[in-house]
Amino acid sequence: DTEVTQTPKHLVMGMTNKKSLKCEQHMGHRAMYWYKQKAKKPPELMFVYSYEKLSINESVPSRFSPECPNSSLLNLHLHALQPEDSALYLCASSQDSDVYYGYTFGSGTRLTVV
Amino acid sequence: AQSVAQPEDQVNVAEGNPLTVKCTYSVSGNPYLFWYVQYPNRGLQFLLKYITGDNLVKGSYGFEAEFNKSQTSFHLKKPSALVSDSALYFCAVRDMGAGANNLFFGTGTRLTVIP
Repeated sequence: DTEVTQTPKHLVMGMTNKKSLKCEQHMGHRAMYWYKQKAKKPPELMFVYSYEKLSINESVPSRFSPECPNSSLLNLHLHALQPEDSALYLCASSQDSDVYYGYTFGSGTRLTVV
Repeated sequence: AQSVAQPEDQVNVAEGNPLTVKCTYSVSGNPYLFWYVQYPNRGLQFLLKYITGDNLVKGSYGFEAEFNKSQTSFHLKKPSALVSDSALYFCAVRDMGAGANNLFFGTGTRLTVIP
């Protein structure tokens, strides 16, 4: 299995909703990442988990809450989002926390906040 | 801080012609450089990387990139473009911020191959 699987592929949520994005990989990778990508813009790093510990939190608002239950799974919990949070949310993994190995990306979750 | 620049938002090339997508970088220390491609509504796919060694790096789908230290460039090239190469291309550099390294992406270049 050489894939990163993200679910759901599409999500529409209201500003008072609570939802979660899920990311899963079975490549034995020990680092996992959340990126946010607005239309026609590059991906921007949100969180980095290395060996199941949060190592980077790029000043992301608290309405985004990451969770790494085990080395194969990464969640992003969403609560009280704003319309400007609408974006493509990408999960990635790498063999180790060193980018030497490059990243494997999932196809993303297209999030729309209404 | 590390940075990477893609000076062209859009590149158009005729099918069968050679293509070049430009990237310049600014890093302290030895650069780790990457190219990724993104098709509509999809995640990013790895094309190639330069860490060390030969300046000409060969990657997926017939792409290659040349590392030029004196010009701080890492341009992506392909000898003969295909319509299916039309996509968004990102150059990326290792960012050592916050004590853990990660990828910092350029603004992207949209490549359109015209039949």
